[in-house]
Amino acid sequence: GQNIDQPTEMTATEGAIVQINCTYQTSGFNGLFWYQQHAGEAPTFLSYNVLDGLEEKGRFSSFLSRSKGYSYLLLKELQMKDSASYLCAGGKSGGGNKLTFGTGTQLKVEL
Amino acid sequence: DTAVSQTPKYLVTQMGNDKSIKCEQNLGHDTMYWYKQDSKKFLKIMFSYNNKELIINETVPNRFSPKSPDKAHLNLHINSLELGDSAVYFCASSQDFRPANSPLHFGNGTRLTVT
Repeated sequence: GQNIDQPTEMTATEGAIVQINCTYQTSGFNGLFWYQQHAGEAPTFLSYNVLDGLEEKGRFSSFLSRSKGYSYLLLKELQMKDSASYLCAGGKSGGGNKLTFGTGTQLKVEL
Repeated sequence: DTAVSQTPKYLVTQMGNDKSIKCEQNLGHDTMYWYKQDSKKFLKIMFSYNNKELIINETVPNRFSPKSPDKAHLNLHINSLELGDSAVYFCASSQDFRPANSPLHFGNGTRLTVT
């Protein structure tokens, strides 16, 4: 996706921790969203960071560094159901909530 | 009690035809969207309406015409369908158009196949 980069695929083991990185051009966005999309389904909202630092929500955490144009999604205690595509999206205030999505990272969780 | 519902789920049609996709949300949100997800899973915004008013209109061929009769509905009409229109079209809504307040709630998508 334009201006947003994330790895195409990742593989991890059930019970492990995985970090999915996202980089973007700093001039573009005010905040970063993370969405989860299972195959054949709709994207669902996971997290939103507008300030630098770590936001924790149960097994999922998201980090943002605005000066570095960098975010990551951290998934702990991986479960098979976490196998999905994870989409990083930049949001811009004053842009009518126009989100620019990355192409997503396909995570495969194995036994 | 579906939050964002769109119909049909699947749409198979021939080149040159005209088709419509309907979307309704019962979340009381002010803002609705159409996104297109291509075969490479890239999700791109097409249109956004806030309280029935168009606020985002990306570079989309004018064969695509959105219509919002009220803030709970946003339909998409496509004229003269082309092969390249084949994709999954997602309707979405959010509380308003400010990103901090407004994660998107997506419908289940309409898989359009143009033959």
